[in-house]
Amino acid sequence: SQKIEQNSEALNIQEGKTATLTCNYTNYSPAYLQWYRQDPGRGPVFLLLIRENEKEKRKERLKVTFDTTLKQSLFHITASQPADSATYLCALDVDSGYALNFGKGTSLLVTP
Amino acid sequence: EAGVAQSPRYKIIEKRQSVAFWCNPISGHATLYWYQQILGQGPKLLIQFQNNGVVDDSQLPKDRFSAERLKGVDSTLKIQPAKLEDSAVYLCASSLGIAGARNTGELFFGEGSRLTVL
Repeated sequence: SQKIEQNSEALNIQEGKTATLTCNYTNYSPAYLQWYRQDPGRGPVFLLLIRENEKEKRKERLKVTFDTTLKQSLFHITASQPADSATYLCALDVDSGYALNFGKGTSLLVTP
Repeated sequence: EAGVAQSPRYKIIEKRQSVAFWCNPISGHATLYWYQQILGQGPKLLIQFQNNGVVDDSQLPKDRFSAERLKGVDSTLKIQPAKLEDSAVYLCASSLGIAGARNTGELFFGEGSRLTVL
């Protein structure tokens, strides 16, 4: 069955450093991969979408890579700030191509 | 532009009681989703609508959960009777959506309805 794995451990980093979050998947052939941010008590908010034929996508301090051979996406936040503290969710379209399946998410804590 | 609206934000019920959640998607969005998010987990798709038709309800526990989207706009999700394990946040999301095509766009989520079953 399809499986999405994200770092189960929370990631703690110091302000100004680069945070790197991992998303691995199995039994998938996704056409797209998306990353969302979720704050406590709120719904997920879309950050970035990367297509299978794209290696890398950037948006301000965010960078996403997509390696379909390794079946892995890396999500980077450069010059991290305490305001970046949140849970980050990786999502892939299901085989039928309609909805998104989400990973468990990785909790990021940026300390001053 | 108004976002996805959900109500109620919080609901506490006893097991075996019933509950209903309401969602109003972003205007013009054809596709509507209900997700269940248990504490510490990622959102799990329960049902997807395209306009007022069901596209995917394979993970909806149909013996107790039901959902409808009348007139292709608002949607309600009902649980009857509720079990302890139904305690979760129920998220509604919408997207522009294209019938029969792979999802190529972002999902817009509401703030969710937190259900506690005692």
